[in-house]
Amino acid sequence: EDKVVQSPLSLVVHEGDTVTLNCSYEVTNFRSLLWYKQEKKAPTFLFMLTSSGIEKKSGRLSSILDKKELFSILNITATQTGDSAVYLCAVMEYGNKLVFGAGTILRVKS
Amino acid sequence: DVKVTQSSRYLVKRTGEKVFLECVQDMDHENMFWYRQDPGLGLRLIYFSYDVKMKEKGDIPEGYSVSREKKERFSLILESASTNQTSMYLCASSFSDRAYGYTFGSGTRLTVV
Repeated sequence: EDKVVQSPLSLVVHEGDTVTLNCSYEVTNFRSLLWYKQEKKAPTFLFMLTSSGIEKKSGRLSSILDKKELFSILNITATQTGDSAVYLCAVMEYGNKLVFGAGTILRVKS
Repeated sequence: DVKVTQSSRYLVKRTGEKVFLECVQDMDHENMFWYRQDPGLGLRLIYFSYDVKMKEKGDIPEGYSVSREKKERFSLILESASTNQTSMYLCASSFSDRAYGYTFGSGTRLTVV
């Protein structure tokens, strides 16, 4: 059975801290791995990763994929209260089905 | 700007009622999906559709059905609502030839009492 496991399930940090969110997967027909940020409503797209070892960056956020060890990490440096959200990892299979992890709830305290 | 619109943001229904959740997208996407989201379980796929009048079961289709009569509209139907269907329901759509993932609607929080 295909599965995506995220850790930790939740964490609380202080502004300015750096956090690392983890995502491991077991999926039969891997096509890509995606990260989303979800605040009160719709998940918003952060990154799509298809190749191992190539870091994607957007401001204070970065992500990398290891297709040999079947995991990805999402790093957030110099965290701000606006980073508080649920971070979702999902793996896209051929056929365009997305399999989601349970999410990591991040709370950044000021 | 791609838009996926869900008809209701909050909905309260009684046990046994038939419930319709509507989703409309305006970008001519071929694929449409219905997920439910529950704490600690993430998003779980209920049904999806690759084309008009076409539907496929996802991981948790029991108690649900869908309808896609037009390309832009994908409806989720709870035939006889039960309290364990209280959840956040998210609709999404995508093109069939891209791996970029989905565009999500804002969600419908359904409470069955």
